[in-house]
Amino acid sequence: GAVVSQHPSRVICKSGTSVKIECRSLDFQATTMFWYRQFPKQSLMLMATSNEGSKATYEQGVEKDKFLINHASLTLSTLTVTSAHPEDSSFYICSARGGLSETQYFGPGTRLLVL
Amino acid sequence: GQNIDQPTEMTATEGAIVQINCTYQTSGFNGLFWYQQHAGEAPTFLSYNVLDGLEEKGRFSSFLSRSKWYSYLLLKELQMKDSASYLCAVMDSNYQLIWGAGTKLIIKP
Repeated sequence: GAVVSQHPSRVICKSGTSVKIECRSLDFQATTMFWYRQFPKQSLMLMATSNEGSKATYEQGVEKDKFLINHASLTLSTLTVTSAHPEDSSFYICSARGGLSETQYFGPGTRLLVL
Repeated sequence: GQNIDQPTEMTATEGAIVQINCTYQTSGFNGLFWYQQHAGEAPTFLSYNVLDGLEEKGRFSSFLSRSKWYSYLLLKELQMKDSASYLCAVMDSNYQLIWGAGTKLIIKP
């Protein structure tokens, strides 16, 4: 299957700082990328959908000024958690959609811990 | 509204067969996906069905009946490493994935 990378895999930061997470589709072009958040033992929660070259579409309840998404190219999308707080600690997973079946392929995820 | 239903948890024995069902109600249908997610890891793609019938891929098979709004994932010759959550997702008419809550599969020796 297609490969999606995500960096960093794990980050610990102080409250109030900003954290940037990168998501790359390595062997295909992804016109659409998705950002999910998953708390322990809970379902995936879609945060936003991002299309290359346009503004991201955020799900209800997700603050667009707090979770900045940039999809600058067909292979790269970034999520910046601004002024992170302990309640933002979670597992953030990106996915990229590609191929004839429009399958979503997931990155390995980024575990964020805000102290 | 749109929703995907699948059992919360299932238990099976190593070497046995287990079937995980998924029923859905969505606005439009552009395919059904099954993903596997091990604890603490991101989901990995297992299968895609858009036409009725059975798709076999090694020990895993996925079945779709569009008229019954129903799918199942069949796992044969269960191994301990198959212990994971299995997520059913349907792509709606807007090409958005609607996710089920996942079925946690516990394999016992």
